Amino acid sequence: DQQVKQNSPSLSVQEGRISILNCDYTNSMFDYFLWYKKYPAEGPTFLISISSIKDKNEDGRFTVFLNKSAKHLSLHIVPSQPGDSAVYFCAARPLRGSTLGRLYFGRGTQLTVWP
Amino acid sequence: NAGVTQTPKFRILKIGQSMTLQCTQDMNHNYMYWYRQDPGMGLKLIYYSVGAGITDKGEVPNGYNVSRSTTEDFPLRLELAAPSQTSVYFCASRVGGAGELFFGEGSRLTVL
Repeated sequence: DQQVKQNSPSLSVQEGRISILNCDYTNSMFDYFLWYKKYPAEGPTFLISISSIKDKNEDGRFTVFLNKSAKHLSLHIVPSQPGDSAVYFCAARPLRGSTLGRLYFGRGTQLTVWP
Repeated sequence: NAGVTQTPKFRILKIGQSMTLQCTQDMNHNYMYWYRQDPGMGLKLIYYSVGAGITDKGEVPNGYNVSRSTTEDFPLRLELAAPSQTSVYFCASRVGGAGELFFGEGSRLTVL
């Protein structure tokens, strides 16, 4: 039962353009969402997060948007750079009634940024 | 600081063998987790711990055991390895139940 879904396994974008990575969730108890980035042969690293009390959070070139009614979030990268090529995981956590902070992960989207 | 350190990085096991994946963190985090990632899949939680002496099962605990005798160490034991345990294993930690997880670099295990 995949509670966090990333339906696009891959995305290819030209350098300088916008990358949009999408994520859907099914559990209405989720109210904290994170994006992790993973390079080959490395562990995932935290990128950006958003609480359900917000609909947008920005950090430099990275912006996460949350649409609670649609149970959908997206990560925008502008402008995209070749160094952004990695697998991006969406993760979610319920803040209340949580299994001790457990994160539920999507399957990941491989982003390739080409020159 | 080294963060979260996992050893070994790679290991090949024969069916029925046992081994321990080591995980150490030097950030004084109370919460530690073991995840596995199968090809094309997200990370699935195997076991977690909220402090020394306290462990509990995650989503996919069968075939594994853990212990947490110190704050720093959270080893994952595989008994009677099976091909279904071929995966990449990630250890992670966080200071409390909220906030970001810090991951190790992963341990790639192949069971033949």
